[in-house]
Amino acid sequence: GAVVSQHPSWVICKSGTSVKIECRSLDFQATTMFWYRQFPKQSLMLMATSNEGSKATYEQGVEKDKFLINHASLTLSTLTVTSAHPEDSSFYICSALGQSGSGRNEQFFGPGTRLTVL
Amino acid sequence: QQQVKQSPQSLIVQKGGISIINCAYENTAFDYFPWYQQFPGKGPALLIAIRPDVSEKKEGRFTISFNKSAKQFSLHIMDSQPGDSATYFCAASKRQAGTALIFGKGTTLSVSS
Repeated sequence: GAVVSQHPSWVICKSGTSVKIECRSLDFQATTMFWYRQFPKQSLMLMATSNEGSKATYEQGVEKDKFLINHASLTLSTLTVTSAHPEDSSFYICSALGQSGSGRNEQFFGPGTRLTVL
Repeated sequence: QQQVKQSPQSLIVQKGGISIINCAYENTAFDYFPWYQQFPGKGPALLIAIRPDVSEKKEGRFTISFNKSAKQFSLHIMDSQPGDSATYFCAASKRQAGTALIFGKGTTLSVSS
């Protein structure tokens, strides 16, 4: 099956610093990737849709200048949390759009990145 | 975002029992309804999915029942096992390729041995 990786798996940073999270599709190419945020015991909330070679589309309420998304290749999308604050502490999960064994489009999820801002 | 409503929020089932989780959606443009299983500290993993042209899909112990007229779908886990203890999310997405998933709020399932 299609595999999506994220790096790092967890990160702790000081308030005011920036953190970059990578999302890679390991064995397939993904023109579209998605970034989700999940707070403890809550659901996944879509932050933005990332398309290779173009600007990301952000969901309402998500600050595009704070959460910078770059999808520079068909296998890599990055999310940079700029000037991070404690309220940005969350579980960030990416997914990549690929094809299932039956040929249908399917989102394959990464393992997530736990961000803790002190 | 169109809402997907999921219930119950939490569920306790005895080993060997049937776990049932329900979801309802509003947007009739949705045409893909997956269920995801998530363990603590991990990303969600696709369990089973259905499209509205069928009313039921079964894979092993997992079954999705779909009621298009009621705009509802449910997950049944037969012979529930302690290893099934996890959070389950229903989701929905629209017809076009590349559209994002809208998730329900999740159900925490505990299977007691």
